[in-house]
Amino acid sequence: DTEVTQTPKHLVMGMTNKKSLKCEQHMGHRAMYWYKQKAKKPPELMFVYSYEKLSINESVPSRFSPECPNSSLLNLHLHALQPEDSALYLCASSFRDRGYEQYFGPGTRLTVT
Amino acid sequence: GESVGLHLPTLSVQEGDNSIINCAYSNSASDYFIWYKQESGKGPQFIIDIRSNMDKRQGQRVTVLLNKTVKHLSLQIAATQPGDSAVYFCAENMVRAGGTSYGKLTFGQGTILTVHP
Repeated sequence: DTEVTQTPKHLVMGMTNKKSLKCEQHMGHRAMYWYKQKAKKPPELMFVYSYEKLSINESVPSRFSPECPNSSLLNLHLHALQPEDSALYLCASSFRDRGYEQYFGPGTRLTVT
Repeated sequence: GESVGLHLPTLSVQEGDNSIINCAYSNSASDYFIWYKQESGKGPQFIIDIRSNMDKRQGQRVTVLLNKTVKHLSLQIAATQPGDSAVYFCAENMVRAGGTSYGKLTFGQGTILTVHP
C-alpha cells in the first residue's frame, strides 16, 4: 500500500466551528507532514512529526493544532479559523532518513466562511 | 514556448518533444534537490532527486541537472506525453548533521507544463 489517504475531501466551516482533518498511511513511514497550499502557489510546510513527536512547527497560528495518535495517523484540529485560512491542506509521509522523498495525499479542500 | 510573468511560468510543448523545466534555488547549503509533479486535483508526486555533490542524474525518461555555480536546477523530460501535463515544482532539502533528513522541503514557485497531442 503506497497511498496516503485524507478525509474529508472537502470541508466548509464557519469561523466559530471546530473541525478536524485526518490523514492515514500504512507504508511504515515514521515522518509525517502537514502542508498548506493556496491556489497557484507551492505547498508551504506547517508541521513535521518524527516518530510521533512534533519536530518542526513553522510558526503556525495556534488555531491549527496537530496531533499524531500513532505512527499511521495524523490529525489537524481546526478552531476559530479565518477566511484567509481557506486552502488545500496536504498531508505527506516519508521514511525518516529520506525526508526529501515524500508521499502526498490528495488533500482536503477547506473553505472558511 | 516558455513565459514568466505575474502568473506561474508556463511551458507548452507538442507530444513527443523533449521538455526542459528550469528552477533557480536560493540556499547554497541545501543537500538535496528534488522535482515533484502535481496533477490537477492531486497532491504532489515525487519524480527524482539529486544530491548536491552530483551534477546529473537520470531516471526513466527524466534527467535532472544541477549547476551549483549559478544555483540552477533543470528537469528534462524526454518524449513528452499528454500524461506529463501538470505543475512541476522544484524543492530543496537540507540534511541534518549525521545524515538524517530534516524533512523540511522548500518548494519553488512551479511551472505549468501543457502537452498538446
